[in-house]
Amino acid sequence: GAGVSQSPRYKVAKRGQDVALRCDPISGHVSLFWYQQALGQGPEFLTYFQNEAQLDKSGLPSDRFFAERPEGSVSTLKIQRTQQEDSAVYLCASSLVSGQGQSPLHFGNGTRLTVT
Amino acid sequence: SQQGEEDPQALSIQEGENATMNCSYKTSINNLQWYRQNSGRGLVHLILIRSNEREKHSGRLRVTLDTSKKSSSLLITASRAADTASYFCAPSSGGSYIPTFGRGTSLIVHP
Repeated sequence: GAGVSQSPRYKVAKRGQDVALRCDPISGHVSLFWYQQALGQGPEFLTYFQNEAQLDKSGLPSDRFFAERPEGSVSTLKIQRTQQEDSAVYLCASSLVSGQGQSPLHFGNGTRLTVT
Repeated sequence: SQQGEEDPQALSIQEGENATMNCSYKTSINNLQWYRQNSGRGLVHLILIRSNEREKHSGRLRVTLDTSKKSSSLLITASRAADTASYFCAPSSGGSYIPTFGRGTSLIVHP
């Protein structure tokens, strides 16, 4: 497709369930980012990949959060034993090159996760 | 990377008026980007201004950069209801660029 695709668009999980969120970046984009956005807030950085390498995961809030990009294209963000505070929109973005912000980020429309 | 801080947090204007929002940052930058987010959607890149540029235009958008004051402004001229959105800045500094965002400016344009 032409843009970044995220699925599912909406996810409702019971507290304690595991969830997996998928991101299909734009073909050929080297960099991939995950963000978490709470209602009324800006996106908070979670983790960053350059091709298949996870170069920064400093934003992951706990060890319940895990992200992978095994072949350098599609990425999955997994949250284990979901808690109510995990309820947020999870945004994925990709960019053509990495380094010094020369390449704009292209965002998907996000996955809205609601933990009940 | 560093986070930009947008100001004001909220702005409400009438269609046809101009809207100005500001971004401040703390350390030297390579460039600064502005993004827009419509409700329920992802962010959309608007414009990039490099540290050696002072002003840049794109359609009804005008971005200025004052590196001495570590600030940037985004001006939307002749606003339309469709400009209603949140606006974020993302300054870039250092080698490895990870865009970080503040709370944004929420702009409402009344028809």
